[in-house]
Amino acid sequence: DTAVSQTPKYLVTQMGNDKSIKCEQNLGHDTMYWYKQDSKKFLKIMFSYNNKELIINETVPNRFSPKSPDKAHLNLHINSLELGDSAVYFCASSQERDLNRGQYFGPGTRLTVL
Amino acid sequence: AQSVTQLDSHVSVSEGTPVLLRCNYSSSYSPSLFWYVQHPNKGLQLLLKYTSAATLVKGINGFEAEFKKSETSFHLTKPSAHMSDAAEYFCVVSGSNFGNEKLTFGTGTRLTIIP
Repeated sequence: DTAVSQTPKYLVTQMGNDKSIKCEQNLGHDTMYWYKQDSKKFLKIMFSYNNKELIINETVPNRFSPKSPDKAHLNLHINSLELGDSAVYFCASSQERDLNRGQYFGPGTRLTVL
Repeated sequence: AQSVTQLDSHVSVSEGTPVLLRCNYSSSYSPSLFWYVQHPNKGLQLLLKYTSAATLVKGINGFEAEFKKSETSFHLTKPSAHMSDAAEYFCVVSGSNFGNEKLTFGTGTRLTIIP
């Protein structure tokens, strides 16, 4: 059974479009995250939600809006896509706000903006 | 504030020889440290973690890492490399256990195994 799943796996779209990436975890975790990995493999956290409440919001353009309908889902909506948004986006989840247990990552969504 | 530096962007070793991937960290708090592995076109998998218990941490696939506070290091080692170890490895630090916890990733070390 997949622990953290993301859809779609690949997303190719035109500049200016609006798109969403979905994430679901079946681990019963109460904290979920979105990370962006750029072309140089550098990973940086974007958002974190705990029990549907936003707890981390890094310096991310407000074109990016996370939405958590319940604690098993954290979707990422991106408005007015730009070339620089091309990257691999990873969703992750953890058991508690205490990160000592580590985070479980999804397989990633490769976004290409043309 | 916290940061992590992976000293080598690329490491190549022959199959069957030891692996050493170097990592130094900086943290204002007592850190938790992790190593994650990313195989090509795959997500990230937790290899091992240090959380203020034993300083020598054993992980999956024969990897281990030693936390050295005096050197602010958390190097990853494996006695004998296998072809399946070829991947990107990330050293990660997390800060305080309270408040805005978050992971800070290093820039990664690509491990190549020579047959």
